[in-house]
Amino acid sequence: QKEVEQDPGPLSVPEGAIVSLNCTYSNSAFQYFMWYRQYSRKGPELLMYTYSSGNKEDGRFTAQVDKSSKYISLFIRDSQPSDSATYLCAMGYNFNKFYFGSGTKLNVKP
Amino acid sequence: NAGVTQTPKFQVLKTGQSMTLQCAQDMNHNSMYWYRQDPGMGLRLIYYSASEGTTDKGEVPNGYNVSRLNKREFSLRLESAAPSQTSVYFCATDRTGDYNEQFFGPGTRLTVL
Repeated sequence: QKEVEQDPGPLSVPEGAIVSLNCTYSNSAFQYFMWYRQYSRKGPELLMYTYSSGNKEDGRFTAQVDKSSKYISLFIRDSQPSDSATYLCAMGYNFNKFYFGSGTKLNVKP
Repeated sequence: NAGVTQTPKFQVLKTGQSMTLQCAQDMNHNSMYWYRQDPGMGLRLIYYSASEGTTDKGEVPNGYNVSRLNKREFSLRLESAAPSQTSVYFCATDRTGDYNEQFFGPGTRLTVL
């Protein structure tokens, strides 16, 4: 069983839609949770970071962590064509080892 | 201020050949990492270095060696390349603190024939 499970998509939505991306995990020790965005043929870049449970909002992006269900989500409001990318969740329990999901490919159609 | 740089960008090897992937960072970070990314598998940690002079195995270290040459540079060596090592390799770095954001390089696309 993988440490982190993520639906690979692809997910195709019209511009302006609300997008929900999700990951589940099996290790209850995870306490650092991240979402990375990766454009085609580029390295991942950090989008959101959450420590332990709760919600975090940054502009059009909201990250949620539910440790009781071992489930994390990223919501994108008013999605734009520039949001088209692969979104990777990542999580860990110490500073130096993180486990990544396989990524969800998102396409936002104009 | 280049951030994280990787060389080469692309490489094609024959089975059994060796090569070294280079990574350098100018962010003055202590920790450096090597990942590989394969379709459907996400990013998997090969090796990491928490500080200059130390290295540790990650999730998939077999077939690889690393050297933390100094604080800026962390290299990944394939001694005898195999087709299973065909992948995109990313180097990353972070500050190692309460807030842990990893900064990634642009990647090296390696094909082993």
